[in-house]
Amino acid sequence: EDQVTQSPEALRLQEGESSSLNCSYTVSGLRGLFWYRQDPGKGPEFLFTLYSAGEEKEKERLKATLTKKESFLHITAPKPEDSATYLCAVQKGSAGGTSYGKLTFGQGTILTVHP
Amino acid sequence: DTGVSQNPRHKITKRGQNVTFRCDPISEHNRLYWYRQTLGQGPEFLTYFQNEAQLEKSRLLSDRFSAERPKGSFSTLEIQRTEQGDSAMYLCASSLAEGPTGKLFFGSGTQLSVL
Repeated sequence: EDQVTQSPEALRLQEGESSSLNCSYTVSGLRGLFWYRQDPGKGPEFLFTLYSAGEEKEKERLKATLTKKESFLHITAPKPEDSATYLCAVQKGSAGGTSYGKLTFGQGTILTVHP
Repeated sequence: DTGVSQNPRHKITKRGQNVTFRCDPISEHNRLYWYRQTLGQGPEFLTYFQNEAQLEKSRLLSDRFSAERPKGSFSTLEIQRTEQGDSAMYLCASSLAEGPTGKLFFGSGTQLSVL
């Protein structure tokens, strides 16, 4: 069964203090790995898609990387507005080469950035 | 606003009652998903549609849950004979079947409380 584990569960940073969030996954036939951000009382918001080991994506202060077993979300010089829950999800490919629709999410990392 | 719309935002019901939620996806999206999220956890997949066809349903989904997407537009999720364990945030998301199918657009959810 597909499994996604995120660590740490919660992370408190001072503004400007860079750090990384980890997402470890077990899935047969990875189609893609996705990072989402979720603010309280809202649905998740898409950030990145990573398809193969070695791939990297960047957006403002966020950078996502992927290996064969895990993904990292690096946050450089975070600001208080980066405070949110960050979710990692995996999607497996189908035998026919098209992707299944289902995403399997991890439990998330709650990030708090203090000014 | 052309995002995913969910109604109602909050629902309080008594155990044993039936409830129905509605989701209006982004108009050009042909895939629609239902997820459930409890506090401190990531979203858990329930089911998804491509147009009007229900393509996958979670094995964990009780037969008290049923979803429809008539005419491939809006969708409803019904829970019959609600139980306290059904209390959760019910999230709807939509996407295109082509391209990065893991890029889901989520609504703000319906928070269900079963008393």
